[in-house]
Amino acid sequence: KAGVTQTPRYLIKTRGQQVTLSCSPISGHRSVSWYQQTPGQGLQFLFEYFSETQRNKGNFPGRFSGRQFSNSRSEMNVSTLELGDSALYLCASRLTSGTDTQYFGPGTRLTVL
Amino acid sequence: ELKVEQNPLFLSMQEGKNYTIYCNYSTTSDRLYWYRQDPGKSLESLFVLLSNGAVKQEGRLMASLDTKARLSTLHITAAVHDLSATYFCAVALSGTYKYIFGTGTRLKVLA
Repeated sequence: KAGVTQTPRYLIKTRGQQVTLSCSPISGHRSVSWYQQTPGQGLQFLFEYFSETQRNKGNFPGRFSGRQFSNSRSEMNVSTLELGDSALYLCASRLTSGTDTQYFGPGTRLTVL
Repeated sequence: ELKVEQNPLFLSMQEGKNYTIYCNYSTTSDRLYWYRQDPGKSLESLFVLLSNGAVKQEGRLMASLDTKARLSTLHITAAVHDLSATYFCAVALSGTYKYIFGTGTRLKVLA
């Protein structure tokens, strides 16, 4: 079974631009969560989607948004990029039964110049 | 607000030695997870602990959960170099799928 995939893997943007990251969960997984990982703040929860609905949200500004499609694929968007948005963005998918384990994708490394 | 603290942040140990990583959390939770992250890689799930007193073991790693003390431990037995990585605990807010991660413990096992 294929794992969680994220595209693109690397991205360089400049301040003020916007960016869209994509995540394809493991087949059959309906929950997708997004995280930001930085050396200073560690791993921080952004949001979680299930059946196209955002169920949980972390403490990030409104510039960070996401959505989930009917096939469970998810996108997150960051508008008006700031230097501090440079980070590794990780997506994780979860089967909504059983042990509740999250499976993480390889991440998208975003650099804002 | 749920806070998750891990200690130590850095751990350098000799092969063959034992050590424990601690994960404390501040409010009630019904699920606790341990992950491993190798440099430049994503996170790999190690253990899911769902109830008080839960103990899980895989190879040289053993995780336990004490929900009354709000404490989980990850014990390393007879460390080997391949265990060098950063280990994270994560706690889910009760009744939600919002996960709060600890700061991580960077483990280096010296040959």
